Order: sequence, then C-alpha cells, then structure tokens
Amino acid sequence: EVHLVESGGGLVQPGGSLRLSCAASGFTFGEHYMDWVRQAPGKGLEWVGRSRGKAHSYTTAFAASVEGRFTISRDNSNNLMYLQMNSLKTEDTAVYYCTRTGYCGAPGRCNSAYFNYWGQGTLVTVSS
Amino acid sequence: DIQMTQSPSTLSASVGDRVTITCRASQSINSWLAWYQQKPGKAPKFLIYKASTLESGVPSRFSGSESGTEFTLTISSLQPDDFATYYCLQYDVYPLTFGGGTKVEIK
Repeated sequence: EVHLVESGGGLVQPGGSLRLSCAASGFTFGEHYMDWVRQAPGKGLEWVGRSRGKAHSYTTAFAASVEGRFTISRDNSNNLMYLQMNSLKTEDTAVYYCTRTGYCGAPGRCNSAYFNYWGQGTLVTVSS
Repeated sequence: DIQMTQSPSTLSASVGDRVTITCRASQSINSWLAWYQQKPGKAPKFLIYKASTLESGVPSRFSGSESGTEFTLTISSLQPDDFATYYCLQYDVYPLTFGGGTKVEIK
C-alpha cells in the first residue's frame, strides 16, 4: 500500500528557511515523479514543484512563484523527498502536500504524470 | 501558462441530482486532464485521468468527458458522500495548473 508522510512544517519568519520531508513507502520510488502541491488557507490547489524519476535523471521543475527559492532533492536509498524552502514570504503560507504520480519509469514523455497519491499535508506558516 | 477556468465556483444540489462541472483550458492540453475531490481538512482524492478514465475504485456515477478544450465532470446521481470541492488539473505542460475549484453544497 502506498504511503506518503510529510513532516517539517511549522512557523517561520519572513525571509527564513524551512525543509519539508516526505517519507514514501509501498512502491518503487525511482519509477515515479514526486511533486509538492500547496494550498493556502481557504484557497485552491497550486503546483509547487517536481522531482522526476530515475529514467529522467531526477531532474526538477518548479512553479515561477518559487523558482530560485525552493529546491527539491531525494534520498533514493531511504525513499525520502525533501523540499528546501528559502527566502520564505508570507504568501508561502499553506498546507504542503507530497504527491506521487502514476508510473513514469520509462524514458521519454510520461503520460501518467498526474498525482494519484497524496500525503496528509504539513502546514507551513510564514509570519512575523 | 495554461489557464484552467472552472465553473461554477459553487453548486447547490440535492441527493439524486445529476451534477456537471466544467473546466475550460486556455489552449489545447491533448486530453491530459485529471479530476480530484477534496473534503474539508483532507487531502484531495484522485478520481479521473486522461479526461475520461476512471481511477480504480471510484464509483461509476462519476464520469469525465471532453470537447476540444472543454472538459466535464459529471456525477450521475449525487450521493451524500459527494458533497465536496472538485478540482481539475492539466498535466500536459509546465507549469501544471489547477482549476479554481467547484464546491458542491447541499441544497
């Protein structure tokens, strides 16, 4: 059974940094893209960034709103994904969800790059 | 960026009603569209991918369709468990973008 568990959320001041973790289990970690999606209080869903899988050299992509401030990394030996968030702004306040896509384990375009599993989310509050 | 315009933003309906939610993409997304259901305080639940393919375990009263850049989620007979907020997602090009959401409320 697929499990995704986020941790690391909390209160941070504007300009500060925070690292979120996502512990994954129940599937072959490198065969799936892993993404972060966030939801500001009372608002809709916003894609934050992606770590592609082994077949795509674990390359990353980000939303413009976080490009240059956020990075994603993986510890593939321990099935962990991280979201390093720097230069945090009040508008980064949100619940951050770790997600997994369908199978993307072959080279070339992945046609299953939708989020089919979600963690429970972790709340990040950026405030002075 | 591809804009996903979802309508209506709120929908009031009764148990047993047929419900239709629409997402319009600002350009072609080649059927790379998914639908999600979210209840308050919970993570979204995956319903449909490639515009019309039902995820395993999702009740058959849910269905998806497309016509050009317009995508529709239909609930054929609304059940008490279906009162929630629904989102579409285009996963054709970066940045991935969601619709603004449709809250289905009890009438």
